[in-house]
This record gives sequence, C-alpha cells and structure tokens, in this order.
Amino acid sequence: EAGVVQSPRYKIIEKKQPVAFWCNPISGHNTLYWYRQNLGQGPELLIRYENEEAVDDSQLPKDRFSAERLKGVDSTLKIQPAELGDSAVYLCASSFNSITEQYFGPGTRLTVT
Amino acid sequence: GENVEQHPSTLSVQEGDSAVIKCTYSDSASNYFPWYKQELGKGPQLIIDIRSNVGEKKDQRIAVTLNKTAKHFSLHITETQPEDSAVYFCAASSNTGNQFYFGTGTSLTVIP
Repeated sequence: EAGVVQSPRYKIIEKKQPVAFWCNPISGHNTLYWYRQNLGQGPELLIRYENEEAVDDSQLPKDRFSAERLKGVDSTLKIQPAELGDSAVYLCASSFNSITEQYFGPGTRLTVT
Repeated sequence: GENVEQHPSTLSVQEGDSAVIKCTYSDSASNYFPWYKQELGKGPQLIIDIRSNVGEKKDQRIAVTLNKTAKHFSLHITETQPEDSAVYFCAASSNTGNQFYFGTGTSLTVIP
C-alpha cells in the first residue's frame, strides 16, 4: 500500500513569490493534516481536513496561506507571497479518522531566499 | 491548549545499551500518546503508541510507559543498534481536541 505522497520534495524560491505543495493521502483516509516543521522543532499543525471540510485552521496564517481539498482526497497548500520566515519543512499526514494514528509523508523542504 | 515537553534534547548511548526519552503534558484530557521516529530527510514514522487506559505497551525492543496521574510518558529502547539513531518525537492528543501536540524532539545517537 502506498504511503502519503508529497511533491515537490524540495523547493527554493525568492521572497514574495508564490509556492504550492501537493499531498495525496493514504487511500481511504478521511482526515488530512498539514504541518510545518521548523529546524530542530516538532511539527506544528497548520490545518486539518475531515473529508473536504477544513475543521481546524486556527494556526493557518490566513493572510498568506491557503489550502484546499476539493474532492476530499488530495490537497494543496499555497503560500502567497512567501516570506523568509516561511522556510521550513511542510509535512502532510493522513489518518482514517481524527482519533486514529497519523501517517506522515516525506515532506517538502521550502527555502525562501 | 496542550503543552508537551520532551527531554533530553540529545542523547548518546553505546550500542547495546538502553535509551530512555521522557515527555510531560499539561492537558488532563489528553488520552492518546504516540511516538515518532524521524530520520534525516524523511517524515516522522509512527513506532509505538499508547492510550490512557493502558499503563505500558511493548513491541520487541521498544516500550512506552504512561503515568496519567503525573502526566508523563516515556519511550524505552533496549539493546540499541546504530539504525536506531534518529530524532524521536513524542505527541499527545485528546478526542475532544483532535489535534496532535508534538514535543521538541530528542536526537538519539547510538555509537557502534
């Protein structure tokens, strides 16, 4: 069974440019999470989806970040415009439901110059 | 919200020795405590978890203990091997919060 798939794996952009990350969760997993992981830190939740509904986006900086999961399967996280402080690893995770174990993808390492 | 603290931040052990990583949490409603292993350039991988109705859980060389009264839980790795070298994260969540709160990680190095 395929795990959580993320692309791209690495992205380098200049500040003020837009960037988008894509995630395809494990088949059958209804809950999808986007996390940001700064160097030397644990993952911090940005947004959680239950099917196509964003049920927890309290930590998402809404002035520049947006996300969507239109058909309740794959998801896209966008930053526009990117700032230097956005450099981090963006992790996607999925679970069967919100109280079961989460499985993480490999992440996208973003560098903003 | 929940606050999860993890210690130590770095840990070096000789191959074959045991390693222990400890976490504390603040929200008494937390009832699910997973541990993740993260290797360089990869996402966190679930290695073991425990729910609040259980005090201890073992899986081969890995065990987790939970003390709900004291609000702390620990990861124990016995007979460590070089491939155990990685960063380990603890996390806590509750059914009501539905959010995982992660510790800051422990970088474990197993010296051959």
